Amino acid sequence: DAGITQSPRHKVTETGTPVTLRCHQTENHRYMYWYRQDPGHGLRLIHYSYGVKDTDKGEVSDGYSVSRSKTEDFLLTLESATSSQTSVYFCAISESKQGLPYGYTFGSGTRLTVV
Amino acid sequence: QKEVEQNSGPLSVPEGAIASLNCTYSDRGSQSFFWYRQYSGKSPELIMSIYSNGDKEDGRFTAQLNKASQYVSLLIRDSQPSDSATYLCAVRGSGATNKLIFGTGTLLAVQP
Repeated sequence: DAGITQSPRHKVTETGTPVTLRCHQTENHRYMYWYRQDPGHGLRLIHYSYGVKDTDKGEVSDGYSVSRSKTEDFLLTLESATSSQTSVYFCAISESKQGLPYGYTFGSGTRLTVV
Repeated sequence: QKEVEQNSGPLSVPEGAIASLNCTYSDRGSQSFFWYRQYSGKSPELIMSIYSNGDKEDGRFTAQLNKASQYVSLLIRDSQPSDSATYLCAVRGSGATNKLIFGTGTLLAVQP
C-alpha cells in the first residue's frame, strides 16, 4: 500500500486564523489532491498538484491555497478560517498501473473544526 | 445535473443477499471508473476499478460498466454485516489530468 500520512488528525481553530494541513507521501507519485468531505456533498476537490510547484484549482478552491515544494509534501492552507470550512479534509495520491490511471489512495483525513 | 449521481440510500439487505449499487455519470468521454468503500469515520478505500464495457469480478464484488447508458454498478454477493458502509462511485473525466469526480455515496446496511 502507498504510504501517505496527514497531519494533524484533528484540529480546532478560531475564526480568522490561518491553518495549514500537511500531506506527506513516501511513494514518489506525481499527482496529489486535497478534498473536503461534507454531509450531502460528498468529496469535493479543493486543489491538486501534478508536480513540484505545479498546482491547480478544484471546484471549491476559494479561501484555500496550496504549495508543493517537494514531491513528497503537499500543504493546504486556509488563509483565514471560517465556520464554513469546518469539514473533514482528505489528501489523496494517484498512480498508474500498466499505463492506466489507477484510483486514488487516501490519507486518514484531518477533522477540522472552526469555532 | 450532477456529474456523478448515486442514490444516497440507505440500502438495506439481509445477510447473504446480493446488494446492488448504482451510479450514473454525465461526461460521455469518461474512461475510468472506480468504487470506493468508506466506513464511518474512516477514509475511502478502493475496492474495484473498471475501464471497459462489461463485467469485472473480484471475489464477492462485481463491477458492471455500460458506457452507452453512462451507467456503472457494483454487485456484492453473499453480503455480510461487515460490508455495511458507504460506497462511493468515482469517475475519471475526459480531461488530461487524473482528477476523479465522486458521487455522494450510497449507504449500505446489511442486516444480520
